[in-house]
Amino acid sequence: EIVMTQSPATLSVSPGERATLACRASQYIRSNVAWYQQKLGQAPRLLIYGASTRATGIPARFSGSGSGTEFTLTISSLQSEDFAVYNCQQYDTWPYTFGQGTKLEI
Amino acid sequence: QVQLQESGPGLVKPSETLSLTCTVSGHSISSDYYWGWIRQPPGKGLEWIGSIYHSGKTFYTASFKSRVTISIDTSKNQFSLNLSSVTAADTAVYYCAKYYYYMDVWGKGTTVTVSS
Repeated sequence: EIVMTQSPATLSVSPGERATLACRASQYIRSNVAWYQQKLGQAPRLLIYGASTRATGIPARFSGSGSGTEFTLTISSLQSEDFAVYNCQQYDTWPYTFGQGTKLEI
Repeated sequence: QVQLQESGPGLVKPSETLSLTCTVSGHSISSDYYWGWIRQPPGKGLEWIGSIYHSGKTFYTASFKSRVTISIDTSKNQFSLNLSSVTAADTAVYYCAKYYYYMDVWGKGTTVTVSS
């Protein structure tokens, strides 16, 4: 199965700053990556699909990029509500797999 | 607006079968999409268990294949998860989700503890 590796495990950033989260796939997966935000005690929420397309209602400060095996989620100016865990997921090959998550903390 | 809601026992004894149901509202489960089960052990990442297509075809990950069954009940607009021979390692929050490729609708999750 395809292994998704996220880095860093924890990212400490101040409000208003830019955050860049990385996700690497163990094999080529085109642009078949989604990103999810998960707050404590809540279900994941879809942010990005197709590596770079924002889901409905997602603010423009969230952007995704990459293709092949290297992917990035960027949050341009962190708001207080953005501090959460972010997961990437590949849907190129079954079984679809998640990364282990990056915790974005203040 | 599609909504999903998990239900089932919050406590299961070791070696028994964990049974959960996901009730779908706002969309006919038999018309389209895949319907999946994902879990998250305490302090850990998301783990895909398996899924079912609207036609009834199932997909299971290798880790669970020997003890998981996912079924669909179109008359009730529900799909279900049965996980047999559970151990403490199966303690987790269990989510159901709708997807075609990526999961755009999730249930709120239900916590299942395996303990005697």
